[in-house]
Amino acid sequence: DAGITQSPRHKVTETGTPVTLRCHQTENHRYMYWYRQDPGHGLRLIHYSYGVKDTDKGEVSDGYSVSRSKTEDFLLTLESATSSQTSVYFCAISFQRAFTDTQYFGPGTRLTVL
Amino acid sequence: QQQVKQSPQSLIVQKGGIPIINCAYENTAFDYFPWYQQFPGKGPALLIAIRPDVSEKKEGRFTISFNKSAKQFSLHIMDSQPGDSATYFCAAAHGNQFYFGTGTSLTVIP
Repeated sequence: DAGITQSPRHKVTETGTPVTLRCHQTENHRYMYWYRQDPGHGLRLIHYSYGVKDTDKGEVSDGYSVSRSKTEDFLLTLESATSSQTSVYFCAISFQRAFTDTQYFGPGTRLTVL
Repeated sequence: QQQVKQSPQSLIVQKGGIPIINCAYENTAFDYFPWYQQFPGKGPALLIAIRPDVSEKKEGRFTISFNKSAKQFSLHIMDSQPGDSATYFCAAAHGNQFYFGTGTSLTVIP
């Protein structure tokens, strides 16, 4: 998985609790992304980062925030988890360009919100 | 509104067959069209990608056909093998816009 780890790999939480997912890369790639994958929707972009402390919203950003204080780490926070945020979350990285370049995906985090 | 429409949702072929997966888009600004392959429990992995200045691209047994005027592109898998059984996603991108299709589950029967 191209030097990308995600933690935790599985998490069960309750509605209303905050949750933070971590993506860590060892490739020193500039661009990092968070997607969610749901049946019937494919993968949808939540947020992305084009450098340390530089982030932007994606297609489905409501209810999520991100932070990138170091090149290697990109954190996704669900401020108050809801059942609609039950999903599989994937982190991705790319080297030269945002989006129009190969994206390498991590192994995913399965999140269940009860 | 789905920016990239992918069909079929699922596909079953015999070994050696040529599955074809189709995608259509509306935004003529898109200028990068990748295909990703995903096995169960894994993240997607880039298979092949094309830009709109060419009509076809081949890499091994995988071919993308691109029809700019119709705003459609498709993936062909030649001599398909059981190991090709996976979910395939098309995507389209321009600038900071990037959209995946909804995926096609391919099963290749031995």
